[in-house]
Amino acid sequence: GAGVSQSPSNKVTEKGKDVELRCDPISGHTALYWYRQRLGQGLEFLIYFQGNSAPDKSGLPSDRFSAERTGESVSTLTIQRTQQEDSAVYLCASSVAGETGAPSYEQYFGPGTRLTVT
Amino acid sequence: QKEVEQNSGPLSVPEGAIASLNCTYSDRGSQSFFWYRQYSGKSPELIMSIYSNGDKEDGRFTAQLNKASQYVSLLIRDSQPSDSATYLCAVNGPGGNNRLAFGKGNQVVVIP
Repeated sequence: GAGVSQSPSNKVTEKGKDVELRCDPISGHTALYWYRQRLGQGLEFLIYFQGNSAPDKSGLPSDRFSAERTGESVSTLTIQRTQQEDSAVYLCASSVAGETGAPSYEQYFGPGTRLTVT
Repeated sequence: QKEVEQNSGPLSVPEGAIASLNCTYSDRGSQSFFWYRQYSGKSPELIMSIYSNGDKEDGRFTAQLNKASQYVSLLIRDSQPSDSATYLCAVNGPGGNNRLAFGKGNQVVVIP
C-alpha cells in the first residue's frame, strides 16, 4: 500500500515568513509523529498525535511551532515567523497506535520536507 | 547522559565482511528498540525492531538486545556496497507516548 507522503518536498522561504508542512500517514495508522533533522544531526522529536489529539508536544522548540491533525489522517506542521535556525528536514512518521505503557509499534517515515530559510 | 548513544566515526568494512554497530541507552524502562537505515539525502527506513532480550535475525541482519546492560547492537553479515549508509538506533521510553529517541547514527562504508 501507499506509504507516508509529505508535501512540499522542498520549501525555500524568507526569514519571518510562515510555512505549512503537510503529512499524509499510512492508511489505518492512528499515531502520527513529527521529527526534525538538522544537517549532519540526529532526529529530534517534535510532536506526537494519537488520533486528532496531541498528548505529547514536548519537542516543539518554541511557540512559533504548532501542529494539528484532522480526521485522524492528514497533519499540518506550521512554523510562524521562520528563523534561519529552523532550516532542516522535517520528517513525519506514522504507526499503528500502541496501548499506554505497552511497547511501541514500528514507525514508518515519509520522504521529508527540506526547509531552507534565507 | 544522552538518551541514545552510538559510536562516532565511520565504519569501513570490506565487501563480504561483518559490520557490527552498537548502541547504548539511558532509560532502563525502554521497551522498544529499532534500527533504521538512512541513505544520504533520504529519510530513515526501518530495517529491524526488537523487543525482547536476545537475538533477532532477518536476512543478513541480526539485532541483539541486552536490557540489563542497556545496549542494542546490529550485525550486518556479508556486507554489500548497497549497505553503505548511516544506521540509526532508536529507542522508546515508558509512559506510552511512543516517541522515539534517536542516536546520531553510525556511517557504514562497504569497500568493494
